[in-house]
Amino acid sequence: QVQLQESGPGLVKASETLSLTCSVSGGTVASYYWAWIRQAPGQALEWIANIFYTGTTSYNPSFQSRVTISVDMSKSQFSLTLNSVTATDTAVYYCARLIRMGADSYFFDHWGRGTPVTVSS
Amino acid sequence: DIQMTQSPSSLSASVGDRVSITCRAGQSIGRHLNWYQQKPGEAPQLLIYDASNLGSGVPSRFSGSGYGTHFSLTITGLQPEDFATYFCQQSSSTLFTFGGGTKVEIK
Repeated sequence: QVQLQESGPGLVKASETLSLTCSVSGGTVASYYWAWIRQAPGQALEWIANIFYTGTTSYNPSFQSRVTISVDMSKSQFSLTLNSVTATDTAVYYCARLIRMGADSYFFDHWGRGTPVTVSS
Repeated sequence: DIQMTQSPSSLSASVGDRVSITCRAGQSIGRHLNWYQQKPGEAPQLLIYDASNLGSGVPSRFSGSGYGTHFSLTITGLQPEDFATYFCQQSSSTLFTFGGGTKVEIK
């Protein structure tokens, strides 16, 4: 059974860079898409970015150029960096495996438990 | 972005009840609608993909229906472990968006 585990700093100062890592166990990083999703307090889930194991990326335009997603197959990990954080980036951050089925069906079939991030002033 | 609206935002039900949750899309998304269950402190779990397909290992009391802009998740015979938050997600656009969630509480 594939398991995902997020790790991160918990607390980040405003204007600094948030770095998160997702460790994948029980399965391979190869052949799949991997994603980051967040949920701010009282808000809906928000998709941030995803990456194919080959390195092809897709980003939510809402994050403009602040975000970078990367994958390290040798470590079975993928990561997210978010620059210039503000209080509105305070959220629980989830990593997930994104399945593409056929030409145009996508769903997140495995998720981590999430890691809370607070941006302090 | 495709807006996803769930209703109700919360509901109270008893074990054994039949419960339905609705998700509406801001534009037609065909069948590209997924449902997830989330319990506090746990990883979200895929329930339904492509509107009506049961995820792996998901009990058959969960079912999904709909097409276009109107979708529903139904739990037939609510079990104690089903008290959780449920949310929908569209994948018609690869700018994936989620509904606000429906919390199912014990009456």
